[in-house]
Amino acid sequence: SQQGEEDPQALSIQEGENATMNCSYKTSINNLQWYRQNSGRGLVHLILIRSNEREKHSGRLRVTLDTSKKSSSLLITASRAADTASYFCAPIQGAQKLVFGQGTRLTINP
Amino acid sequence: KAGVTQTPRYLIKTRGQQVTLSCSPISGHRSVSWYQQTPGQGLQFLFEYFSETQRNKGNFPGRFSGRQFSNSRSEMNVSTLELGDSALYLCASSLEVQGRGAPLHFGNGTRLTVT
Repeated sequence: SQQGEEDPQALSIQEGENATMNCSYKTSINNLQWYRQNSGRGLVHLILIRSNEREKHSGRLRVTLDTSKKSSSLLITASRAADTASYFCAPIQGAQKLVFGQGTRLTINP
Repeated sequence: KAGVTQTPRYLIKTRGQQVTLSCSPISGHRSVSWYQQTPGQGLQFLFEYFSETQRNKGNFPGRFSGRQFSNSRSEMNVSTLELGDSALYLCASSLEVQGRGAPLHFGNGTRLTVT
């Protein structure tokens, strides 16, 4: 199993702006998942991108994957107060356990 | 469909005691995983069960144990509690074993405080 490293550790933006966070990993993967965690709650699965995909959309979310750079990015467009949360990536190689990093703490200011 | 249910939501225990946490997965999910989350260490994998068998285990001492029942419900037990065991314990269920692409569905956790 490998852990993704999210960057930045913390991000604060104004409501309505776009938020971009990045994930780097070390070895080849089969897929990569993004999760969100609101304070004191469980994680919520946002999106899965497979190694043969370069970009995926889900509502206001856009995820990209660059396997040559071993990195992924999560873009949240037109941010809302409800997007305030921690975001985690989980790079997955084979049937291995998901290992989470420290995440990116996103704060949306009104 | 009901989500993952963890009980109790909050728990306060004294050092040296033991505790049992419960997790009811989403109906039809056979994989149940447990994570410990603390401010210092973040999310740490404890173990995964699939069809009543422990499939994977994290780097935790033997005081941490778990099991899964035939209805996929799972329990985890921590014996001889230490102050450092204070954490949010999260349970996650999935249709498949971890890593095969099926997303994890998390409960809202049990907040354990050891005094």
